[in-house]
Amino acid sequence: GDSVTQMEGPVTLSEEAFLTINCTYTATGYPSLFWYVQYPGEGLQLLLKATKADDKGSNKGFEATYRKETTSFHLEKGSVQVSDSAVYFCALSGPPGNTGKLIFGQGTTLQVKP
Amino acid sequence: GAVVSQHPSRVICKSGTSVKIECRSLDFQATTMFWYRQFPKQSLMLMATSNEGSKATYEQGVEKDKFLINHASLTLSTLTVTSAHPEDSSFYICSASEPGVLNTEAFFGQGTRLTVV
Repeated sequence: GDSVTQMEGPVTLSEEAFLTINCTYTATGYPSLFWYVQYPGEGLQLLLKATKADDKGSNKGFEATYRKETTSFHLEKGSVQVSDSAVYFCALSGPPGNTGKLIFGQGTTLQVKP
Repeated sequence: GAVVSQHPSRVICKSGTSVKIECRSLDFQATTMFWYRQFPKQSLMLMATSNEGSKATYEQGVEKDKFLINHASLTLSTLTVTSAHPEDSSFYICSASEPGVLNTEAFFGQGTRLTVV
């Protein structure tokens, strides 16, 4: 079945460092891909998304490109801030037609130190 | 974006009692909502798909008699954890997406932290 694999955390960086969180997927068809962020004690917020191959999603300095040839959707940010500390989830949409059903990766905790 | 509200945000209950969690779509009608469970430091696992006006669809391994789902209106789905036990303690999150919108994102509630003592 469909699945998402993320790099294991935690990832610890200093402020202004470059961030990459790897995400690869297996899926039948052409899913949409998402990155969600979860701050401590809160629900999930959509960070960015891409709906087809070669699309680049971007938001708040974060970027990810839908790479069909490598089945990847790696998250990047050029300069992280302490406020970016959170858990990041890569996800893909479920059955075709996208009813909102998502399959999540295991999550990657990011810790940014001043 | 659309707003999904979940209530309560935290609840503590005694073993053997039942707890109801509400999930509301505030500015759109959601024919389908989803309930997820998240264990500490783990990912979200889909428990069930809640369908307005019909029975919920449960994922393999989820006890339907333990986790009762009711989607009585286009804006409200409820999850009732019946005869709760400490092992049911977890973070429960609902989501919904706008019907008829291609490639729409899912909007998540704030989550409910359930502690069974």
